[in-house]
Amino acid sequence: AQKITQTQPGMFVQEKEAVTLDCTYDTSDQSYGLFWYKQPSSGEMIFLIYQGSYDEQNATEGRYSLNFQKARKSANLVISASQLGDSAMYFCAMREKDFGNEKLTFGTGTRLTIIP
Amino acid sequence: DSGVTQTPKHLITATGQRVTLRCSPRSGDLSVYWYQQSLDQGLQFLIQYYNGEERAKGNILERFSAQQFPDLHSELNLSSLELGDSALYFCASSPFQGAFRGSDSYEQYFGPGTRLTVT
Repeated sequence: AQKITQTQPGMFVQEKEAVTLDCTYDTSDQSYGLFWYKQPSSGEMIFLIYQGSYDEQNATEGRYSLNFQKARKSANLVISASQLGDSAMYFCAMREKDFGNEKLTFGTGTRLTIIP
Repeated sequence: DSGVTQTPKHLITATGQRVTLRCSPRSGDLSVYWYQQSLDQGLQFLIQYYNGEERAKGNILERFSAQQFPDLHSELNLSSLELGDSALYFCASSPFQGAFRGSDSYEQYFGPGTRLTVT
């Protein structure tokens, strides 16, 4: 079963507009974490933001915020005032427990294109 | 720059061959994780080492193996290569072995990747 689902394979957004990238997850763990990574065309994976399952407040990092709705098991990434440099692949990932150790499971990604 | 280095950046080899990918974690990080990113399988966790010991295993083929050395650098060995092994291989590092403490979590810092092409 898919543990991380990103339903938007591609999105086109006008520069300076806000954009929401969807992510839903499936876990029976009470303690888990959700991450967003950005992968530009150069290939590197860049950490953007993290949300823990017990965190009361939605995480924010500059122009990035995570809209965490625990009951709906969704962790959408919101980018405010989009810029041309935001064009990239975006991956949602969930920290999973594996006999007490940690691994990340990634979604299939959303390719975001910012239009000038 | 995440502080994680990977060599080589690109590798082109033939089917049936064996290659070694190298990763140096950030200074002070004890955990190294290996991931494979391919077009058909997406980004998949392969294996984790912590301070020289294997800690977690994901979807790693038997033809693949890894190790972490006393200086904490890690190598991923891929043998009997097939066309389907062509992918971007990432390593990531983090300071901790990954034990859970409530909602604490530790960012994994990714290296730039090694792009392997099997012809």
